[in-house]
Amino acid sequence: GDSVTQMEGPVTLSEEAFLTINCTYTATGYPSLFWYVQYPGEGLQLLLKATKADDKGSNKGFEATYRKETTSFHLEKGSVQVSDSAVYFCALPPYNQGGKLIFGQGTELSVKP
Amino acid sequence: EAGVTQFPSHSVIEKGQTVTLRCDPISGHDNLYWYRRVMGKEIKFLLHFVKESKQDESGMPNNRFLAERTGGTYSTLKVQPAELEDSGVYFCASSSLGQGNSPLHFGNGTRLTVT
Repeated sequence: GDSVTQMEGPVTLSEEAFLTINCTYTATGYPSLFWYVQYPGEGLQLLLKATKADDKGSNKGFEATYRKETTSFHLEKGSVQVSDSAVYFCALPPYNQGGKLIFGQGTELSVKP
Repeated sequence: EAGVTQFPSHSVIEKGQTVTLRCDPISGHDNLYWYRRVMGKEIKFLLHFVKESKQDESGMPNNRFLAERTGGTYSTLKVQPAELEDSGVYFCASSSLGQGNSPLHFGNGTRLTVT
């Protein structure tokens, strides 16, 4: 079945460091791909998405490119801030199952000043 | 517009007790979903309502879990009797009818601890 695998955390970086959080997937067809973020004490928020191969989603300085050939959707940011500390989840909708989502296990990011 | 609201934000109960979680979706959203994240693992789908009907309850762990959405507005998720492994964060999400693969709007979650 469809699945999502994320790199394990926690990840600890210094402010202004480069961030990569790896995400690979297995899916039937070519689903949309999402990154969600959960800031401390808050709910899940959509960070960015890509709807087809080679699309690049971007938001708040974060980027992720839909790579069909490597079945990946890695999240990157060139210079992280303390306010980026959160848990990040990669997700996709299973084939033909509407709004239902399959999530990765989440990667906790901690950015130190 | 008000977002998805969940209540309570935290609940601590003893094994064997009953707990009811509530979710108020965004007004007008016909799709309502429950998800759960256990012990830092992945967020897992529990079930999906379209209005008051259960569209998909394939993720419900067992018959100790009962979800309802009377009138197609708010939803409740009851755990009876609770077990230790039920501890986790329960998320509710909603979307408009027909959004297909469009992203969901999530609540802040209810953190359930069973002792």
